[in-house]
Amino acid sequence: LAKTTQPISMDSYEGQEVNITCSHNNIATNDYITWYQQFPSQGPRFIIQGYKTKVTNEVASLFIPADRKSSTLSLPRVSLSDTAVYYCLVALSGGYNKLIFGAGTRLAVHP
Amino acid sequence: DAMVIQNPRYQVTQFGKPVTLSCSQTLNHNVMYWYQQKSSQAPKLLFHYYDKDFNNEADTPDNFQSRRPNTSFCFLDIRSPGLGDAAMYLCATSRGQGGTTDTQYFGPGTRLTVL
Repeated sequence: LAKTTQPISMDSYEGQEVNITCSHNNIATNDYITWYQQFPSQGPRFIIQGYKTKVTNEVASLFIPADRKSSTLSLPRVSLSDTAVYYCLVALSGGYNKLIFGAGTRLAVHP
Repeated sequence: DAMVIQNPRYQVTQFGKPVTLSCSQTLNHNVMYWYQQKSSQAPKLLFHYYDKDFNNEADTPDNFQSRRPNTSFCFLDIRSPGLGDAAMYLCATSRGQGGTTDTQYFGPGTRLTVL
């Protein structure tokens, strides 16, 4: 499984757009990029997943360039409740996956 | 609502005293996972079951064992807890079938304290 690298921490203010970039230089052809969110004292929660270009859901957008060596999670207009740790992972398509969590990005949203 | 349930949410044990953590799911998923998460660290996979097939991670200590008596339940047994085993233990499930990648659904975790 490809190793991912992302910033250790980020700070933002309510109402701003937050972009968290993840590097995955060794991503394989069959790997998907997946993001999970974890609040304190809770289990991680799936946010979004993509293979290439752009994916959007009700929570976030995921931008993946053509070479797929990086990806950017975009959180529009964050609120205090978006304060959490965000994990970028790569996962094989098909079947099931072992998720190998990296350090994650600790996002702090300030009033 | 279908979900992953972990009991208890908080567990206190003594050094060396065996402890069992439990996980149940109403999602009817094939795969169940156990993770260990220490303070300010990322979750670390200990092992997982695909149906009844057990898959241990290479660096999981022998002190950690697991049982899955049926689809719905999975247990984590720590035979002789040490102070270093104090952590949050997370159970997750996934459907385990083909198509795009397999989303994991996590329970709320059990926080283990070792005295």
